[in-house]
Amino acid sequence: AQTVTQSQPEMSVQEAETVTLSCTYDTSESDYYLFWYKQPPSRQMILVIRQEAYKQQNATENRFSVNFQKAAKSFSLKISDSQLGDAAMYFCAYRSGGTSYGKLTFGQGTILTVHP
Amino acid sequence: NAGVTQTPKFQVLKTGQSMTLQCAQDMNHEYMSWYRQDPGMGLRLIHYSVGAGITDQGEVPNGYNVSRSTTEDFPLRLLSAAPSQTSVYFCASSPLDRGEQYFGPGTRLTVT
Repeated sequence: AQTVTQSQPEMSVQEAETVTLSCTYDTSESDYYLFWYKQPPSRQMILVIRQEAYKQQNATENRFSVNFQKAAKSFSLKISDSQLGDAAMYFCAYRSGGTSYGKLTFGQGTILTVHP
Repeated sequence: NAGVTQTPKFQVLKTGQSMTLQCAQDMNHEYMSWYRQDPGMGLRLIHYSVGAGITDQGEVPNGYNVSRSTTEDFPLRLLSAAPSQTSVYFCASSPLDRGEQYFGPGTRLTVT
């Protein structure tokens, strides 16, 4: 079974600064997807970014980018120019390729605090 | 476009009571699933469905039942609530050919 580990229970950053959230995963598969989800205090789960394992290029979405190191099984999220609205719990998630459909395995989450 | 909706938003049950958490989506997604979120453990998959009439167990299925009679609806039934089922429950859906899931707003359930 795959596992996802987020080793930082809490992180903090100053507004306008950059922060990196860490995620490692364990799998023997070569075909899979990785995601970062954001959960603000409203509790809603919001997709931030996705990465296909077969793509070497790191995914980016505006101020959010990932550092995908397939050999090291590492998938970190970088938030640039942090904003107060970025404060939330962030979850890293893994999905197998093929016919596993949408089954996601989540990490434990990292609480991000943004200081004005 | 409502996306994924869940009712109720909050619920308190006594041990042994039964109830159904409702989930509906209007995006014509084949895949639907239920997760529970507990502190320090992320989200864990309870049950999932790849289409009407097809359901399967996830990581933590004990104490829960599901059925899928239509594409739109995927209710989760607690047959005899236990304090260990106190959690936040999320329903999610996605097309079969894409991995990311769209989540409902969640239901906070407390069992006393």
